[in-house]
Amino acid sequence: QKEVEQNSGPLSVPEGAIASLNCTYSDRGSQSFFWYRQYSGKSPELIMFIYSNGDKEDGRFTAQLNKASQYVSLLIRDSQPSDSATYLCAVGRRSNYQLIWGAGTKLIIKP
Amino acid sequence: EAQVTQNPRYLITVTGKKLTVTCSQNMNHEYMSWYRQDPGLGLRQIYYSMNVEVTDKGDVPEGYKVSRKEKRNFPLILESPSPNQTSLYFCASSSQQGGGNTEAFFGQGTRLTVV
Repeated sequence: QKEVEQNSGPLSVPEGAIASLNCTYSDRGSQSFFWYRQYSGKSPELIMFIYSNGDKEDGRFTAQLNKASQYVSLLIRDSQPSDSATYLCAVGRRSNYQLIWGAGTKLIIKP
Repeated sequence: EAQVTQNPRYLITVTGKKLTVTCSQNMNHEYMSWYRQDPGLGLRQIYYSMNVEVTDKGDVPEGYKVSRKEKRNFPLILESPSPNQTSLYFCASSSQQGGGNTEAFFGQGTRLTVV
C-alpha cells in the first residue's frame, strides 16, 4: 500500500460545477496536509494546507480533513477551464519532516 | 522576492559524464530536498537536508549525491549518469515550524536527458 494514494484520473468536470479530489494516507500520526496544483512541465504550487480536522475554505477552494478515516479532500467550486491541471496531495511525516506525495489526480474542466 | 533557483533548466548529457544541478533558496529555510518526477509515478524524493551538514536519503537515492555546506545551497550531483536518470528534477525548500513542515517552495525544474 502506498503511503499517500490518489485516483490518477482523469477526472472530467463541466465548467461551473464542483470538482472533488480525494486523497488517503496510511500514517495515522501525520499532522500536516497539503494540496498542490501542477500544470504540465511546471513546478507544483501550493493551493491550501490543513492541519486540523474539519473544513478550511479559501476562495473557491475547500480542504477537508478527517484524521479518523485518514483522508483529505479538495473541493473546487465554480470550476474554470484554468483549473485543469494535476492536483497533488502531500502529507507531512511527523518523524523527519518529509513530505510524502501522492501521484496526483489529473483534472479536466470542460467548457 | 522569495524564490528557489535551479540551474540548468534543461540538460542533455551522455552516460557517465558527471554533472551537478544547482539549487539555491533565499528564504533562510532549514529544510531542502530534491525530487524526481516521472510520468505516472508522481514526485519521488531523492535526498533531503534538515539543516547545514545534515542530509539523508529519500526514497530513490541510488546514483545521486548531495551536499549542504551552506544553508542556502543544496546541489544535486550525478557522478555517473545513466539513461534511467532521465527525468524532471525539482528542488524544494520549506521551513520547519511547530514540529512539521510548512509550505514547500519549488524551483523551476530541470529537465535532464541522459543519452
